[in-house]
Amino acid sequence: NAGVTQTPKFRVLKTGQSMTLLCAQDMNHEYMYWYRQDPGMGLRLIHYSVGEGTTAKGEVPDGYNVSRLKKQNFLLGLESAAPSQTSVYFCASSSHVNPYNEQFFGPGTRLTVL
Amino acid sequence: AQSVTQLGSHVSVSEGALVLLRCNYSSSVPPYLFWYVQYPNQGLQLLLKYTTGATLVKGINGFEAEFKKSETSFHLTKPSAHMSDAAEYFCAVSDRRYQKVTFGTGTKLQVIP
Repeated sequence: NAGVTQTPKFRVLKTGQSMTLLCAQDMNHEYMYWYRQDPGMGLRLIHYSVGEGTTAKGEVPDGYNVSRLKKQNFLLGLESAAPSQTSVYFCASSSHVNPYNEQFFGPGTRLTVL
Repeated sequence: AQSVTQLGSHVSVSEGALVLLRCNYSSSVPPYLFWYVQYPNQGLQLLLKYTTGATLVKGINGFEAEFKKSETSFHLTKPSAHMSDAAEYFCAVSDRRYQKVTFGTGTKLQVIP
């Protein structure tokens, strides 16, 4: 049981390049989330999904797109990377069955945009 | 709308001393409250949570937190700090739909030998 995994762990992009971050969970969770973490700002929700084929915007969605084609995977895309998107990105998942359940986090992806 | 305020971005305590990390929340509905811990270069993991019932909540590694509705607070405490407690701690509040969680800005705990 790997929990929540994220690929890649590190990435350096040049301004304007695109990339996709992959999140996978093996806990059969309905809900999945993408956050970014910046110093002094805590975690901010980018996008989230309440089930396969559905996505919704979070607090800071601009410049990102997401897809949830399979229940276990949640992809975060950057179409044209900007230096302001330099951050650590965390994926999380949670069960819809019990509303008290916590979110389970992946180890993060450290992205630098030059 | 919900929000969380953590007082003090950095807290230093001596090994063996009391740990107190402060958290105040704002929520229009009865909240679910959480404390998460993040060790360097790792993701977040749950320390403890308040949902309903007993207002004093015990978590892992000897931490506990008390929900005080009148003060809209959920402070985290540990009677005796250990070197391994050095980490960043996040308070969070959840709405009751889709479990969308709002995090505080975090408090880095330094434990001095």
